[in-house]
Amino acid sequence: DTEVTQTPKHLVMGMTNKKSLKCEQHMGHRAMYWYKQKAKKPPELMFVYSYEKLSINESVPSRFSPECPNSSLLNLHLHALQPEDSALYLCASSSPNMDGYTFGSGTRLTVV
Amino acid sequence: AQKVTQAQTEISVVEKEDVTLDCVYETRDTTYYLFWYKQPPSGELVFLIRRNSFDEQNEISGRYSWNFQKSTSSFNFTITASQVVDSAVYFCALSERASGTYKYIFGTGTRLKVLA
Repeated sequence: DTEVTQTPKHLVMGMTNKKSLKCEQHMGHRAMYWYKQKAKKPPELMFVYSYEKLSINESVPSRFSPECPNSSLLNLHLHALQPEDSALYLCASSSPNMDGYTFGSGTRLTVV
Repeated sequence: AQKVTQAQTEISVVEKEDVTLDCVYETRDTTYYLFWYKQPPSGELVFLIRRNSFDEQNEISGRYSWNFQKSTSSFNFTITASQVVDSAVYFCALSERASGTYKYIFGTGTRLKVLA
């Protein structure tokens, strides 16, 4: 299995809702990442988990809460988002020798 | 500071033309990795190539080729005989070691439109 699977593919949520994005990989990668991508912009790093521990938080607002329950799963919990948080959220994983990231197909989030 | 520059915002070519996408990088590291990714309209970032800083050999894969020149800090990508399916946004990225792992520094991307 050489894929990173993200669910859901599309999500519309109100500003008072709580929702979660999910990411799963079975390649044995020990680093997992959340990126946010706005239209016509490059992906921006949000969080990095290395060996299931949070190693990088790029000063992301607390309304985004990451979780890594095990080495195959990565969640992003969303609460009280703003319309400007609407974006494509990409999950990725990689091995320690930096062969390159494998990206999921993303969750397209709309906050209304 | 680490930086990746893709000066071409958008390129349009007619099918079967060759096209080169430019990438210039800045890094203070002696060991680093460079990447190219393709992002079609569906959104997924598709890995194309990785090059480490000690390997300056050019690479060819089908219609794709890459020219890595450390002397000019460039890692350019050429598509030969372009096809409509090549239409996408292409990102060049540089790896940066951080907190025991790596993160990417992405360029701003080049949107390629191949017209039939």
